[in-house]
Amino acid sequence: KQEVTQIPAALSVPEGENLVLNCSFTDSAIYNLQWFRQDPGKGLTSLLLIQSSQREQTSGRLNASLDKSSGRSTLYIAASQPGDSATYLCAVSKLDSNYQLIWGAGTKLIIKP
Amino acid sequence: EAGVAQSPRYKIIEKRQSVAFWCNPISGHATLYWYQQILGQGPKLLIQFQNNGVVDDSQLPKDRFSAERLKGVDSTLKIQPAKLEDSAVYLCASSLESDRAPIYEQYFGPGTRLTVT
Repeated sequence: KQEVTQIPAALSVPEGENLVLNCSFTDSAIYNLQWFRQDPGKGLTSLLLIQSSQREQTSGRLNASLDKSSGRSTLYIAASQPGDSATYLCAVSKLDSNYQLIWGAGTKLIIKP
Repeated sequence: EAGVAQSPRYKIIEKRQSVAFWCNPISGHATLYWYQQILGQGPKLLIQFQNNGVVDDSQLPKDRFSAERLKGVDSTLKIQPAKLEDSAVYLCASSLESDRAPIYEQYFGPGTRLTVT
C-alpha cells in the first residue's frame, strides 16, 4: 500500500531564505507526482507535476525533483517571500489505481517578514 | 478557461440534517473527483467519476453519502444524515485525459467548508 510522508509538518523561516520541502513515498511504481499549494480556507493549486520519466520540473522560483528509486521528491523554493506562506502538499498517482492521488499530510510553511 | 466551480463555499448545519454540495468541472474534463479533507490531513478520495459512470466509490460511506453525475458534466454530493465527524472541507477536482494528454493532472475547486454542530 502506497504511503506518502511529508517532513517537517511545519516550518518557519525568515524572508529571503532558500528552503527545501521533503516528500517520501513507499512504492516507487508511480505514474506522476504533483506538488500543490493550499491557502487557508481555499482549494488546492497545482504547482508542479513531474512525470515518472522526468527528474525535475521548474516554475519561477520553484524547482521540484523526483528520485523514484529512493522514493523521494523535494520542492525547492528560492528567495522565499511572505506570500509563499501556505501549506504545501505532495501527491503521487499510480497506474494500477485509476491514477488516483495518494496524499501526504502537508508541510505548513510560514515566511517571516 | 474557467476553473472548477463549487457551491456553497460555507455551510453550517446541525447533526442529523442533510446537506448537498454542487460542482461544475472544467469544460471538457471527463473525470471528476470528490474529496473530503479534515483539518491537518491530506484529502481523502470519496468518489471518482468517468463521464457519468462511477470508477471508484470504495471510500464513500454509502449509508449516509451519495453522489451523482447524471449528464456527465456537473455533480452533486449529498450527506444525509450528517454527523459531527463530517465537519471538513469537501473538494471537487477534474482532469482531462486523452491520447494526446494522458497526464491525469487534477484541477481543484475552492472547496466547501462544512461545519456540523
